[in-house]
Amino acid sequence: AQRVTQPEKLLSVFKGAPVELKCNYSYSGSPELFWYVQYSRQRLQLLLRHISRESIKGFTADLNKGETSFHLKKPFAQEEDSAMYYCALNKAAGNKLTFGGGTRVLVKP
Amino acid sequence: DTGVSQDPRHKITKRGQNVTFRCDPISEHNRLYWYRQTLGQGPEFLTYFQNEAQLEKSRLLSDRFSAERPKGSFSTLEIQRTEQGDSAMYLCASSPGTANNYGYTFGSGTRLTVV
Repeated sequence: AQRVTQPEKLLSVFKGAPVELKCNYSYSGSPELFWYVQYSRQRLQLLLRHISRESIKGFTADLNKGETSFHLKKPFAQEEDSAMYYCALNKAAGNKLTFGGGTRVLVKP
Repeated sequence: DTGVSQDPRHKITKRGQNVTFRCDPISEHNRLYWYRQTLGQGPEFLTYFQNEAQLEKSRLLSDRFSAERPKGSFSTLEIQRTEQGDSAMYLCASSPGTANNYGYTFGSGTRLTVV
């Protein structure tokens, strides 16, 4: 069975500092990985997908199959990045996402 | 189309009562998902529909839970004989195809409190 682990419940950084959210997964096949974000009083929304290899709002994430990780990074955090972030996995051709427990990011001025 | 809609936003019910939630997905999305989220946890998969067919159910979905999507449009999730452990946020999401290609669009959720 697949599992997603986000070891940090809370990350507190100062504005302008780098931020890295860790995500580790366990799945024996080829996974598809996602990051979702939930801003205060808003619904959960897709931030980025590893297959797109895109940078969204300055965030990037690289799938490392050797380390089974999909860490989310941003070199210069902004106050508007304060939110809950969830890493999620879908197995290839699968039909459901498995979410991690989430990491709350607090960017201080 | 304003996205995925869920109704009600909040529901408080007494233990033992039945409750029903509704989800209206984005109209052109043929896939619909129900998730449950408890405090401090990520969303947990409950069930999934492709059009009107319920194709997968989690073991979390006990026999007190039933979900329908009668015409492949809106969906309902019913919980019978509610228990305090059912208190959670119930999230609905929809997708036009596989999650791998499109991701999910989530609704705002229904927060259930069983007292």
